[in-house]
Amino acid sequence: GAGVSQSPSNKVTEKGKDVELRCDPISGHTALYWYRQSLGQGLEFLIYFQGNSAPDKSGLPSDRFSAERTGGSVSTLTIQRTQQEDSAVYLCASSLTSGAYNEQFFGPGTRLTVL
Amino acid sequence: KQEVTQIPAALSVPEGENLVLNCSFTDSAIYNLQWFRQDPGKGLTSLLLIQSSQREQTSGRLNASLDKSSGRSTLYIAASQPGDSATYLCAVRPADSSYKLIFGSGTRLLVRP
Repeated sequence: GAGVSQSPSNKVTEKGKDVELRCDPISGHTALYWYRQSLGQGLEFLIYFQGNSAPDKSGLPSDRFSAERTGGSVSTLTIQRTQQEDSAVYLCASSLTSGAYNEQFFGPGTRLTVL
Repeated sequence: KQEVTQIPAALSVPEGENLVLNCSFTDSAIYNLQWFRQDPGKGLTSLLLIQSSQREQTSGRLNASLDKSSGRSTLYIAASQPGDSATYLCAVRPADSSYKLIFGSGTRLLVRP
């Protein structure tokens, strides 16, 4: 596809359930990023991948959050035992490489609501 | 720790006005600064990217300037239109963690017909 795609676009879940969010980066982009946008915190960095490895996981809010990337392409962000404070829009971005001068292109996001 | 601030938080102007959105950052050690637009319920659309060695970038009715030493950037929108209504976000690429973007909280713009 031409841009970054994310699925699902909306997810409503009950507190305590696990959820998986998916990101398809732009073809050929080796770097992939996850951000979270919530009312109280604004837009914050969660984790990034260069290829299949994640050099910096420090932005993940707790050990209930994990992410993986396979084949240097699709990435999945998993939230276990969801809490109401996890409700937010989760945005994915990709860039040619993780180098500082490469522009990041964002997907439309997944809106997560935890009841 | 790098912090990015955007002023004002919200702005309402009549159609046709020229306007300026402000962005400030606390640490001048950045690689670049990027302005984004976000429509309600949508992702981010990149508007302009200014590298640290540049002073400004222009695209159509948009002009962004960067004064790295003073930690400031402005986004100038000429002849505003109702279609410009959106939230505008600025983000910096810090030198000490150059893979991430650090965002301001945004300016919500309404252009009234």
